Amino acid sequence: ILNVEQSPQSLHVQEGDSTNFTCSFPSSNFYALHWYRWETAKSPEALFVMTLNGDEKKKGRISATLNTKEGYSYLYIKGSQPEDSATYLCAFSYSGAGSYQLTFGKGTKLSVIP
Amino acid sequence: DSGVTQTPKHLITATGQRVTLRCSPRSGDLSVYWYQQSLDQGLQFLIQYYNGEERAKGNILERFSAQQFPDLHSELNLSSLELGDSALYFCASSVYQGRGETQYFGPGTRLLVL
Repeated sequence: ILNVEQSPQSLHVQEGDSTNFTCSFPSSNFYALHWYRWETAKSPEALFVMTLNGDEKKKGRISATLNTKEGYSYLYIKGSQPEDSATYLCAFSYSGAGSYQLTFGKGTKLSVIP
Repeated sequence: DSGVTQTPKHLITATGQRVTLRCSPRSGDLSVYWYQQSLDQGLQFLIQYYNGEERAKGNILERFSAQQFPDLHSELNLSSLELGDSALYFCASSVYQGRGETQYFGPGTRLLVL
């Protein structure tokens, strides 16, 4: 069973703080690493897809990095705002699956306190 | 709004019953994935269809089946329902089934089996 581990499970930060989360995944047979933002009662929203070691992606105040050799990705949020409160999911796809289906972690729940 | 629609949003039924969940992918997307989110579990891949053909199976029970129709919408059929089938069921779509493709998620169907 291939596991994706996310840490921390939950996080409370003050508005304006910067924060980061970790996603660990098996480094062998790697295809792609995805980050999603999921607000309660809404669809998971795609943030980034990364495929190459060393990839860095940025979208506004949110950025992500990828290390496929050691099997981890970081998601950074600069100057957290209350609207950033959500669960952040990472997922990876790998070549042994026969498809590009995603294996998800359980997420990091971020609460930004005004 | 991801452009992926799912119906119904909520479904309450009894053990032993059969239900059908429906998913319409984004316009032009050929690939549909089904995922299940149970309590305390990460999103689990169930099955994938690409342009009408089944491409991969994950942790899908034999009581569950799916299909993708010529208009590319997909249905997930759950039969002989058990209490443990209560979960949030998502479908996601992508244009093709490439390595670095984003999967866009629908709003989910919340199933409660009583």
